[in-house]
Amino acid sequence: QSALTQPRSVSGSPGQSVTISCTGTSSATGGYNSVSWYQQHPGKAPKVIIYDVIKRPSGVPDRFSGSRSGNTASLTISGLQAEDEADYFCCSYAGMYTWVFGGGTKVTVL
Amino acid sequence: EVQLVESGGGLIQPGGSLRLSCTTSAFPVSGDYMSWVRQAPGKGLEWVSMVYRGTTAYYADSVKGRFTASTDNSQTTIYLQMNNLRVDDTAVYYCARAPYCTGGSCYSRYYFDSWGQGTLVTVSS
Repeated sequence: QSALTQPRSVSGSPGQSVTISCTGTSSATGGYNSVSWYQQHPGKAPKVIIYDVIKRPSGVPDRFSGSRSGNTASLTISGLQAEDEADYFCCSYAGMYTWVFGGGTKVTVL
Repeated sequence: EVQLVESGGGLIQPGGSLRLSCTTSAFPVSGDYMSWVRQAPGKGLEWVSMVYRGTTAYYADSVKGRFTASTDNSQTTIYLQMNNLRVDDTAVYYCARAPYCTGGSCYSRYYFDSWGQGTLVTVSS
């Protein structure tokens, strides 16, 4: 149950795009179509913004998008807005009814 | 989404026991995967446990043998019995649901669409 690897922080100016990577083993991020991304503002519970690698729940702005290449999943925020400043966590189903999270990435809007 | 409300957190000495509860606002579908996810102060999220159909539970290696997840008979309340607590178990514990039925279709899903507000467990002498 090794954690997924994310950059500790990324930053961008309003309107710019930022991409957060999430790298795991082939049995986690590469092997399952069950990578999800969560946004967490300080003092709040996480909120799902991407699931099944690329799907977006209703109500989540379309500036959030997900992708995957090999063992690396990515979250891209296009047209960065002030309210996007938060922590972002990737998560993958790891088989045998277990899950693994990434260490989290702090997004700063400059 | 469903509303989830956790309770039962508090300050406990190392080696002690605590039971957390998570109450759902809606009658759960028996195929939902109900998980506990924790977050140590200033740290990331860590999946802890999942209980399925009220009887089958799975655990992270870090808590295996010390924590037990279960539900009540109606499966509207999920419990996490935590024994032999350690200082590094200090965290906010969230209850989270991976839904079975959503958007008009039913099948196993492996993402968490509903989260509680969390309950803080502090293990300290």
